[in-house]
This record gives sequence, C-alpha cells and structure tokens, in this order.
Amino acid sequence: AQSVTQPDIHITVSEGASLELRCNYSYGATPYLFWYVQSPGQGLQLLLKYFSGDTLVQGIKGFEAEFKRSQSSFNLRKPSVHWSDAAEYFCAVVSFTGGGNKLTFGTGTQLKVEL
Amino acid sequence: GAGVSQSPSNKVTEKGKDVELRCDPISGHTALYWYRQSLGQGLEFLIYFQGNSAPDKSGLPSDRFSAERTGGSVSTLTIQRTQQEDSAVYLCASSLELAGGPPTDTQYFGPGTRLTVL
Repeated sequence: AQSVTQPDIHITVSEGASLELRCNYSYGATPYLFWYVQSPGQGLQLLLKYFSGDTLVQGIKGFEAEFKRSQSSFNLRKPSVHWSDAAEYFCAVVSFTGGGNKLTFGTGTQLKVEL
Repeated sequence: GAGVSQSPSNKVTEKGKDVELRCDPISGHTALYWYRQSLGQGLEFLIYFQGNSAPDKSGLPSDRFSAERTGGSVSTLTIQRTQQEDSAVYLCASSLELAGGPPTDTQYFGPGTRLTVL
C-alpha cells in the first residue's frame, strides 16, 4: 500500500533562512505528489503538485519541490522563509485503489519561524 | 468564487449523541471527499462521492458513520452514538474530476468542523 513519511515532526528556522522539509513516499507506480499547508484554524491549501515532466516543481508563496525517483523523495524547499510561513505542512500521494483520487497524507511537519 | 464551506465550525457533544456535519462544495465540482484529522491518526480518508455513482465508503471507521450527498452538491456526514475517540477535525474537500480524466485535479479543502465529544 502507498504511504508517505515526513521524518521531521517539528522544524524551527530563523526568518530569512532557507528551508527544506523532507517527504518520502512508497508507491509502486509513478506517484502523483502534493504538498499542502495548514495554518491554525484553517483548512488545507495546496502549495504545489507533481504528476510528470520536469522534476522541479514551482508552487505558490515561493515554494518549490523536487521529485527524486531514485530516493523516493519529494522534498519541499524555500530559499528565504518569512514569519508568515509558520504553519503545518503535509506531503500527500494520490491513491487509486477503489474510487476517486484519495489522498494519503504524511503525519505533517510543524514549522516554527523565529524572528 | 466561493470556496468549500463547512458547518458548524465547532461542535461539542456528549458521548452517545448523534451529530451531523455539513459540507458545501465548490459549485460545479463533481467529486467530494471527507477526511478526518486527529492527533492519533493524522489525516485519513473517510468517504468519496463522484456524481451519481455509489460512494466509496472504504475509509469509514465504523457503521456509526454515514454520509450522503443530495443533488450532487451538499453533503452531510452523520456520526451516531458518538464516542470520545470520534473527537477530531472533519475536513471536506471538493474537486472537478471529469470522468475518465487524469487524477490531476486539485482538491480544495474547507476549514473543517472541530468535533469534541465529552
């Protein structure tokens, strides 16, 4: 069965520093991968998604992610973090078992930004 | 345009009571999903509706959980005889999924309903 692992539960970075959030997936075929962000009291907002083609994907709010099949990874990066980026970040993969495009999520990484 | 809306935003209930959670998807979106977000289980799929097809209920944790979607739009998730382990945030998402199309459509999430069972 497909699964997603986010090894870092909490990450703290200083404002202006670079950021990398790790995501590893387990999936037999070509995965369809997503990064979502959840601010306190809010629903999930899509940052970016990967289906095929260029393995470096650009998203909203200055985020990017790189798909590496050899490492089964889809890490999220941002060159300079802003205080407003403090939130919880979820990596997800689409599951095609049964009907629909169900998302299987990682456990999330809580990002804290120090001013 | 308007996003996915959910009501109520918060619900506190007593163990054993029934609750109904509502989701209004984005107009025109054919697919609707319910997920649950809890401390112990993280984010997990519950149920999926697509058009007039039979729903995929494979994620429902017990027969106390049910959901319906009326007129291909609004959906209601019902939990009967609530238990303390049902306490969680229930998230609804909708997407425009054309039949036979690729699984590339974004799921747009509502703000969720926080359910607390005392």
